Order: sequence, then C-alpha cells, then structure tokens
Amino acid sequence: EIVMTQSPATLSVSPGERATLSCRASQSVSSNLAWYQQKPGQAPRLLIYGASTRATGIPARFSGSGSGTEFTLTISSLQSEDFAVYYCQQYNNWPPSWTFGQGTKVEIK
Amino acid sequence: EVQLLESGGGLVQPGGSLRLSCAASGFTFSSYAMSWVRQAPGKGLEWVSAISGSGGSTYYADSVKGRFTISRDNSKNTLYLQMNSLRAEDTAVYYCAKVGGTMVRGVIIIGYFDYWGQGTLVTVSS
Repeated sequence: EIVMTQSPATLSVSPGERATLSCRASQSVSSNLAWYQQKPGQAPRLLIYGASTRATGIPARFSGSGSGTEFTLTISSLQSEDFAVYYCQQYNNWPPSWTFGQGTKVEIK
Repeated sequence: EVQLLESGGGLVQPGGSLRLSCAASGFTFSSYAMSWVRQAPGKGLEWVSAISGSGGSTYYADSVKGRFTISRDNSKNTLYLQMNSLRAEDTAVYYCAKVGGTMVRGVIIIGYFDYWGQGTLVTVSS
C-alpha cells in the first residue's frame, strides 16, 4: 500500500497570507496526485488533479506542484472561505488501491 | 449539473447488512467509473470500492474485500454498495463519487474523484 503523509497536521494562517501544504508518498506516484478541500459537514471538493491541474471552477489562488514522492498545495492569499481541511490522494496504482493522506487543517491565526 | 444522491444509511447491528444507493444525474452515467469513499467520525477519507462504467470490473479495499459488493444499474443511473458482516469499524459517512480521468501520453489515467454526493451515515452498533 502506498502511504501518503501530509504535513503539518494543522496550519495557522492569517487571512491574506500564503499557505503551503505538503504531501509525501511512500513510493513514486508520478503525477497521479489529487488535492481536496473539505469543510465541516460537507463532502470533499476536488481542487487539483494530475498534481497541478486545477479542477473546474477552482480559483487561481490554488496551485499544485510536485511529482514522484513530494507534492505541494499552495494557497497564494487565504480567503475566509479557504479555512478547511485539505487532503491529498494518490491514484497511481492499478488495480486501484487509492489512498489518502490524513489531512491538513488550515485554521485562522 | 452533476448530482449524486446517496441513500440507505442507518443504524445496524454488528454482523448485519445494509445496501446503499447513489442516484446519479447530469452526466452519461454508463461512461464513467464510480466509487465509494468513506469517512469515520472525526477521521480522514478512505477509498472503499470502485466499479467500471460497464460494471464488468470491480475493485475493493482490503478492509472490505469479501464483505462488501459494489454494483450498478446503468438503466437506472444508480450505483449500489451491498454491505454484509458489518463491524463497528465500518461506522462512517459513505460518499458516492464519480471517478475522473485524464489522458497522459496516450493513456487514460483514472482515479481521482471529481464529483461527490452529500454522503449517508452508516452506524454499526448494538
């Protein structure tokens, strides 16, 4: 099983500041990496797929980078609606055994 | 507009069974793989199962293999998850999700979840 490790567990950021979230895979997942945002009581929402492609309707302040085992999600200027939990997910293996990271909570500083 | 609406959750005793349904609309259902993802209370996300567009191929996480069965009825645009021999650790919100894919160097790579339902809560407890 490919283990996904996210850091930090919690990130305290002031509105308007940049947030940088990390995700590490236990083995290479190429660029087959997605990021999701989840707010309390809601379903997750796809932000990024293919490590760096924004999903439909996702603002440009969200960007993804990386390949292999190291990935980053950057939120360039945090808005109030961005405070949430963020998950990375790899989808590199077939047959599927897709795995998620444990999540990073972005909270208001 | 893509919509996914789960139903069928509830309280069940350990060892019991439950069938979840997910009604899909807004896209050509039979053209896409579908999946179930769950989230235990206060915990992270866990992929549970996936099924090809035709329904001919199914895949499971080790944690549910042999106990859960995924299926679909393309004539009804509906996805199902039959859950048997339920355990306390199966307690979670179960999400239905459409599986997205992209073409990479001539090969379609699938496996991210581009649309999600609102979830249905399954509680396994005596």
